[in-house]
Amino acid sequence: DSGVTQTPKHLITATGQRVTLRCSPRSGDLSVYWYQQSLDQGLQFLIQYYNGEERAKGNILERFSAQQFPDLHSELNLSSLELGDSALYFCASSALGQIKQFFGPGTRLTVL
Amino acid sequence: AQKITQTQPGMFVQEKEAVTLDCTYDTSDPSYGLFWYKQPSSGEMIFLIYQGSYDQQNATEGRYSLNFQKARKSANLVISASQLGDSAMYFCAMREGLSSGGSYIPTFGRGTSLIVHP
Repeated sequence: DSGVTQTPKHLITATGQRVTLRCSPRSGDLSVYWYQQSLDQGLQFLIQYYNGEERAKGNILERFSAQQFPDLHSELNLSSLELGDSALYFCASSALGQIKQFFGPGTRLTVL
Repeated sequence: AQKITQTQPGMFVQEKEAVTLDCTYDTSDPSYGLFWYKQPSSGEMIFLIYQGSYDQQNATEGRYSLNFQKARKSANLVISASQLGDSAMYFCAMREGLSSGGSYIPTFGRGTSLIVHP
C-alpha cells in the first residue's frame, strides 16, 4: 500500500459527459501528479500540483483540468468525454524535490 | 526520438532463474536518473529501483539490481531468483533534471511484460 488513495476505482460513462477523479496523497506529501495510461499512448504525465499551485504541465488536453485543495487532496476533471479518453488514470505523490513518486491504485475510466 | 526504449514487449523466465529486462535511454542532460516500476495485473504502479547519473555503483534493492552502463545509455533491470509473483509489466522511466516547478517528472517507456513459469 503506497498510502495514496484514489476514488472511484472504476468509472463508466458516456461520450460527452463530465467526470471527476479524486486523489488523496500520502501524509506529508505536498506534490500531486496525474498520469494517463492508455494502450496507444502508454503512461503519460498530465499535470502536477504543489501545495495548491500548478507546477508542471504535460500532455493534458484543454477539456481536462485539475486542482489541489487546502487539505492537499486533488481532483482531475474530465469533460466532453470521448471514446479515446478511456484509460487508467493514476495519481502519484511526493515531497518536493523527492525523486521517488508513490502511485495510487488508479481509476479505470471507460467511455461508452 | 523516443527518450526511453524498451525493446522487449514480452519475456518469459523459469521460476528461480534470473532475468534481464532491457532499457535504453536518450538524453543530453548530464543530470538524470533511471527508474523501474512494476505493474501487476491489479494495475497499481510499484516503485522498484532508482539510479542517478552520478551514482558510482549500480543500485540494488533486494532481488532487483540495475545494470547501469552510461556509455551505452542502458539501464537494464536484473531480477534474480524469479518468483511467480514477479509476473507483471515492468516500466523503465527517466527523469532529466528539475522541472520549472522544482520536481522530477519522469518519462516512461512502453513496458515489458514478464511471465514467470513454474
